[in-house]
Amino acid sequence: AQSVSQHNHHVILSEAASLELGCNYSYGGTVNLFWYVQYPGQHLQLLLKYFSGDPLVKGIKGFEAEFIKSKFSFNLRKPSVQWSDTAEYFCAVQLGGSYIPTFGRGTSLIVHP
Amino acid sequence: EAGVAQSPRYKIIEKRQSVAFWCNPISGHATLYWYQQILGQGPKLLIQFQNNGVVDDSQLPKDRFSAERLKGVDSTLKIQPAKLEDSAVYLCASSIQLGQNSPLHFGNGTRLTVT
Repeated sequence: AQSVSQHNHHVILSEAASLELGCNYSYGGTVNLFWYVQYPGQHLQLLLKYFSGDPLVKGIKGFEAEFIKSKFSFNLRKPSVQWSDTAEYFCAVQLGGSYIPTFGRGTSLIVHP
Repeated sequence: EAGVAQSPRYKIIEKRQSVAFWCNPISGHATLYWYQQILGQGPKLLIQFQNNGVVDDSQLPKDRFSAERLKGVDSTLKIQPAKLEDSAVYLCASSIQLGQNSPLHFGNGTRLTVT
């Protein structure tokens, strides 16, 4: 069965620090990749997605992620975080031919002002 | 556009009682999902509907959980009887269609506490 690993469960940063959250999956075929974010008290919402083409995808609020097929990874990055980026971040993988995204356990990000 | 609506937001019940959650997806979204999110874990799919038909319910504990989407619009998830380990947030999500390129839109969830 496919699995999605987010190795950083809790990350604490100061404003203006750079962010990289790891996401690895265990499947060698075609995948669609997503990052979702859940701000405090709000619902899960899509941050960015990769289906095909340029492996560097840009999302909302200055976030980007890079798909590295050889490493089975889809890490999320932001050059300079803000206090408002405090949230839970979930990586999700959808196998080629499947309609169901599988989620990682999430990373809690706290940004200190 | 209006988002995915879920009710109630919170529910506290005793073990062995029954409970039901309601979800109204975004208008026009054919696909509806119910996820269970236990504290400290990512969302886990329980059941997926396409219109009023079940696409995948392989991870639904059918001895106690049931779900329906009779008219292909809103949906109800029921637990009967509840166990302590059912304490979780139950998330409903919808997407435009059943397909690879349809991101999910989530509701705020129902937080269930079983005592």
